[in-house]
Amino acid sequence: DTAVSQTPKYLVTQMGNDKSIKCEQNLGHDTMYWYKQDSKKFLKIMFSYNNKELIINETVPNRFSPKSPDKAHLNLHINSLELGDSAVYFCASSPNSGYEQYFGPGTRLTVT
Amino acid sequence: AQSVTQLGSHVSVSEGALVLLRCNYSSSVPPYLFWYVQYPNQGLQLLLKYTTGATLVKGINGFEAEFKKSETSFHLTKPSAHMSDAAEYFCAVTSGGFQKLVFGTGTRLLVSP
Repeated sequence: DTAVSQTPKYLVTQMGNDKSIKCEQNLGHDTMYWYKQDSKKFLKIMFSYNNKELIINETVPNRFSPKSPDKAHLNLHINSLELGDSAVYFCASSPNSGYEQYFGPGTRLTVT
Repeated sequence: AQSVTQLGSHVSVSEGALVLLRCNYSSSVPPYLFWYVQYPNQGLQLLLKYTTGATLVKGINGFEAEFKKSETSFHLTKPSAHMSDAAEYFCAVTSGGFQKLVFGTGTRLLVSP
């Protein structure tokens, strides 16, 4: 009965490859987010979707493309992976009626 | 723009001692404030939140925080630390609606026996 789930939990890949991370929430929330946590534990928003519509797009390289097939899912596709993309990526969701966000367990991406 | 400052990247306490983690925010609109905890290799768990109303908010695991507008602070406290409280703690602010959460840099709480 996991509220916000992500797959995979770990992802190790080589530079130049393309990879995807999937996120699903079963909380009935309308808004979903992607955050990046760097090696110093700093958390920064990347994207946000509300009812499948992109509402926040921070200054993220074009190699990152989010996709929301429905309001319960938000996937992140990354093209041409670079060493600097190594981080933990967190998905989160929030209801329209509240402001708190609920986070998934994270995906640790390592680019070699 | 909103921002959060967490004073002290590391805080060490003895088991049973008072825990105080400091958070100051900057916001041009009324803020909504949160504390999250992150245990090793896990996601973030919401500890407590302040949106409106009572300025002293209680959260899970015996933690509480007080919103002080005059001091632009939202410090996290717990009367008596447990070993299980050892984790990374993040303060965050948003202006509500569809706005992003802006996080502080985190404070690692170390609890010694």
